[in-house]
This record gives sequence, C-alpha cells and structure tokens, in this order.
Amino acid sequence: DIQMTQSPSTLSASVGDRVTITCRASQSISSWLAWYQQKPGKAPKLLIHKASSLESGVPSRFSGSDSGTEFTLTISGLQPDDFATYYCQQYNTYPWTFGQGTRVEIK
Amino acid sequence: QLQLQESGPGLVKPSETLSLTCTVSGGSISSSSYNWDWIRQSPGKGLEWIGSIYYSGSTYNNPSLKSRVTISVDTSKNQFSLKLSSVTAADTAVYYCARVYQASSGWIPFDYWGQGTLVTVSS
Repeated sequence: DIQMTQSPSTLSASVGDRVTITCRASQSISSWLAWYQQKPGKAPKLLIHKASSLESGVPSRFSGSDSGTEFTLTISGLQPDDFATYYCQQYNTYPWTFGQGTRVEIK
Repeated sequence: QLQLQESGPGLVKPSETLSLTCTVSGGSISSSSYNWDWIRQSPGKGLEWIGSIYYSGSTYNNPSLKSRVTISVDTSKNQFSLKLSSVTAADTAVYYCARVYQASSGWIPFDYWGQGTLVTVSS
C-alpha cells in the first residue's frame, strides 16, 4: 500500500495566519491527491482534488501544490471556520489511502 | 442536491456480520459516471478506505480486510450495501458511504459523503 505521511500532526495558528500542511507519498502518485477538511462529528469535506484543483464552492484562500511525491495544502489568511482537521488522500493506486491528519488549532 | 444516508445496526456482536446500507437520493446510482464507496474512521486507524462498487456490480475491496468484505448494489432501490463478516472490536468505527465521480479529466474522489454511522462491536 502507498503510505501517506502528513506533517505536522498539530498546528497552532491565529486568525489571519498563512498555514501550510505537507503530505508525502511513499511512492509516485502523479497528481492524484485530494485534501479534505473534517470538523468534529461531521464527514470529511473535499477541498482539493488532483493536487491543486479547488472543489466548487471552496474559498480561494485554500490552495494545493505538488512537487514529486510531496504535496502541500496552504490556507492563506486563516479564518475562524478553518479550525479543523485536514487529511490528504491518494487515489493513484488501490487501495486508496489517507494521511493520518493534521489538526489546526487556535493559538 | 445529492444526499447519501447510511443505515444499519449500531451494535454488532463479535464474530457476527456487520451490515450497512447507503441510500442515495437526489441522483441515480445507475449513472455511468460514478462509483460508490465505503470508508471507515476509527480513533486507532484513522480514515480507511473499505471498497468501491460500480452500478454494474463490479467491485474492488481493500485487501487489508481480506475476504471479509462484500459490497453490493440495488439499483431498483438506489442503494448500495456493505457486509463485513467475522467482526472484532477492531472493526468499531464510524462508517461512511461516499461518491466517486469519473470526470473526463480523471477521478474526483469522495465529493459527496453520508453523515456517517457509528458501529460498535461488543458483546
């Protein structure tokens, strides 16, 4: 299976901060990488697919990029609604696999 | 607006079979553009993809669950189902159903989710 490793596990930030979360794949997944936001008690919500394609309705402060097997989710100007847990997921190869999550908390 | 809703028992005894159904509303499960998937989330293992089914009945399951998983589809009811046999406490999790979209540019995974249902394995 392809292992997805996210860092950091927890991130403390303030409203207005620029936040970056990294996800590394254990082997090449091309650009078949998605990012999700999850709030307590809710299902994950798709933010970005194909590494950098913003899902319809997702604010433009969210962006994604890739470089080889390293992928980045950036939130430019953190808003109160953005405090949540974020997951990456590869869908290049079955079985599809997720990162362990990054919790973004209020500093 | 597409909606997915999981249903099934919230408590299953060890060694028995977990059975869940996902009802799709606001769209047809028979569309050739979509796959329908199951995902689970437990505190110990995070998010785990369980398997996928196409309306024709073709499936792919996570090998980590070996042969315990059966996913089926009932197009007449616009539903798909999950059966997980020989459950143990390790199968305790929130189970989600979700849609995968086969766009012309490639897959768009898990763009719609059910709200999730907690299944506890305990005697």
